[in-house]
Amino acid sequence: SQKIEQNSEALNIQEGKTATLTCNYTNYSPAYLQWYRQDPGRGPVFLLLIRENEKEKRKERLKVTFDTTLKQSLFHITASQPADSATYLCALGGDKIIFGKGTRLHILP
Amino acid sequence: EAQVTQNPRYLITVTGKKLTVTCSQNMNHEYMSWYRQDPGLGLRQIYYSMNVEVTDKGDVPEGYKVSRKEKRNFPLILESPSPNQTSLYFCASSLSRTLYEQYFGPGTRLTVT
Repeated sequence: SQKIEQNSEALNIQEGKTATLTCNYTNYSPAYLQWYRQDPGRGPVFLLLIRENEKEKRKERLKVTFDTTLKQSLFHITASQPADSATYLCALGGDKIIFGKGTRLHILP
Repeated sequence: EAQVTQNPRYLITVTGKKLTVTCSQNMNHEYMSWYRQDPGLGLRQIYYSMNVEVTDKGDVPEGYKVSRKEKRNFPLILESPSPNQTSLYFCASSLSRTLYEQYFGPGTRLTVT
C-alpha cells in the first residue's frame, strides 16, 4: 500500500537558519506533490505545488524540491522566523490524494 | 472573500444520535472532500465529490454518508455516530480533483460519548 513519511514529528530550528523538512514516499507514483501549513486548531493552508517533471519550485522564502527517483521531496524555509512555527504537511496527488502526518516546526528566537 | 465554511465548529453528541455537519464553498469549485484528522494518523479522506451528484469513497468511509445536490454544498452525515468517530473534521474544495490546491474549512471538532 502507499506510504508517505515526513521526517521527525518535531523539528527545532534557530531563528534565521534554514529549516529543511523531508517527505518520503513508497508504492506510489504521484503526478504532483503539495505542501501545506497548519496552525493549531485551524485547517491546512496551501503553500506550494510541484509537478513530477519539475525539480524545484520557489515562493519567497520557501523552496520545494521533488526527486521522483529518490521518491522524496524537501521543503526549505530560509531565514526562518518564529512566525514560521507550525505543522507542515506534504500531500501526494495523482489517482488519489494522500497526506503525510506532518512535521511540527518550532523556530526558536 | 473566498472561503469554505463548516457548521457547527464544535459538537458534543451521544452514541446513535444522527447528525449532519454542513460544508459550503463560495468559489464555484467542482471538487469537494471530507477529511478526518486524528493524533498520530494525520489527515485521512472520508469521501469526495468531483461534481454535483458525483460522490466516491475515500480511505475511511465506514459510518459516514455524503450528498452533493448543489455545487456549493457538501454535507457530511453520521447516521449513527459512535465514539470512534470522535475526531476533527475538515471539509475542503478545489477547482478540480488534480493539480489544484485545496482550500480547507476551519474544522469541526466532534465528540461522541
